[in-house]
Amino acid sequence: AQSVTQLGSHVSVSEGALVLLRCNYSSSVPPYLFWYVQYPNQGLQLLLKYTSAATLVKGINGFEAEFKKSETSFHLTKPSAHMSDAAEYFCAVSDYDAGTASKLTFGTGTRLQVTL
Amino acid sequence: EPEVTQTPSHQVTQMGQEVILRCVPISNHLYFYWYRQILGQKVEFLVSFYNNEISEKSEIFDDQFSVERPDGSNFTLKIRSTKLEDSAMYFCASSEDKGGMDTQYFGPGTRLTVL
Repeated sequence: AQSVTQLGSHVSVSEGALVLLRCNYSSSVPPYLFWYVQYPNQGLQLLLKYTSAATLVKGINGFEAEFKKSETSFHLTKPSAHMSDAAEYFCAVSDYDAGTASKLTFGTGTRLQVTL
Repeated sequence: EPEVTQTPSHQVTQMGQEVILRCVPISNHLYFYWYRQILGQKVEFLVSFYNNEISEKSEIFDDQFSVERPDGSNFTLKIRSTKLEDSAMYFCASSEDKGGMDTQYFGPGTRLTVL
């Protein structure tokens, strides 16, 4: 079964600092990987996804993630944090089976705090 | 921009009561999902639905749960006899295709509180 592990349930950065949220995956087949963000009292919004087209994936709001097969990682980064980035971030892997609709398996989430 | 909507945003019910959570997926999407998130825990897959039948369900989705697409727009999750442990945020999602790379778009969720 596929799974993702997010290291660090809480990350705190200063405004303007680099954001690095870690995600490692486990998959027996080439994975499809996703980062979602959840702002307070809102649903999950897609930030970016990896579908094997390019290892460096750019998403919304200045975020990007790099797929590294050798490290089984898909870490999320942003060069300069903004106060509005404070939210919960979820890494997810898609369980692709040609016979069924794919389900997402989520990590436990990382809460990002941005301080002045 | 099209979005998935869910009603109600918050539902409070007594243990043993039936609840129906409603979702309106994005109009041209064909695949529908329910997930739940118990407070402080990860988002978990419950069920996927396509062509008016369940495509896949998790071990959480037991006989107390059912899903239905009663008309061309709504997608519902019914819990027949709620338990305390059903208290969670329930998210509906939809996708245009079933493929693993296809984006699932999530609604804002319904917070279910079972007393």
